[in-house]
Amino acid sequence: DIQMTQSPSSLSASVGDRVTITCRASQGIRNDLGWYQQKPGKAPKRLIYAASSLQSGVPSRFSGGGSGTEFTLTISSLQPEDFATYYCLQHNSYPRTFGQGTTVEIK
Amino acid sequence: QVQLVQSGAEVKKPGASVKVSCKASGYTFDSYAISWVRQAPGQGLEWMGWISVYNGITNYAQKLQGRVTMTTDTSTSIAYMELRSLRSGDTAVYYCARDEIDGDSGSAFDIWGQGTMVTVSS
Repeated sequence: DIQMTQSPSSLSASVGDRVTITCRASQGIRNDLGWYQQKPGKAPKRLIYAASSLQSGVPSRFSGGGSGTEFTLTISSLQPEDFATYYCLQHNSYPRTFGQGTTVEIK
Repeated sequence: QVQLVQSGAEVKKPGASVKVSCKASGYTFDSYAISWVRQAPGQGLEWMGWISVYNGITNYAQKLQGRVTMTTDTSTSIAYMELRSLRSGDTAVYYCARDEIDGDSGSAFDIWGQGTMVTVSS
């Protein structure tokens, strides 16, 4: 199984800050990775697909990068509505595997 | 619009079974797959398995093998997930999500159902 190691597990940041979350795959997954935002009581929402493609309707302050084993999600200027939990997901092989999640909290 | 709508909350006793449905609309149902994901209270996301709507091929998480069955009904565009021999550790919100069958990242987990809470309690 491919393990997805996501870091940090949580972070505190202020509105306007630049935030970067990292996922590392235990083996190469090409660019078969998505990033998801989840707010309490809600289903996950896809932000980024194919590692770096912005989902339609998602603000351009979100960006994704990487390929192979190292991936990043960057929020260029954190907004109040961005406080949530973020997950990476690899769909290169079975079982699909998620990162452990990163909770972004208000400083 | 493209959406997945799931069945309502369930309360089950240990040892019972639950069957959750996921109705697709707004797209060609049998051109994609459906994955099921669950989330225990306060925990992360756990992938449970995948079914190709096109040919019914399934791929289940090893820890659930023998207890889970995923099926689809193309006449009604509904996917089902049945989990048997329920225990307290199965208490979770269960989600369906559209998944890809041909390596198209654009359709991998792009659409999610609203979630179904399954509570296992005596």
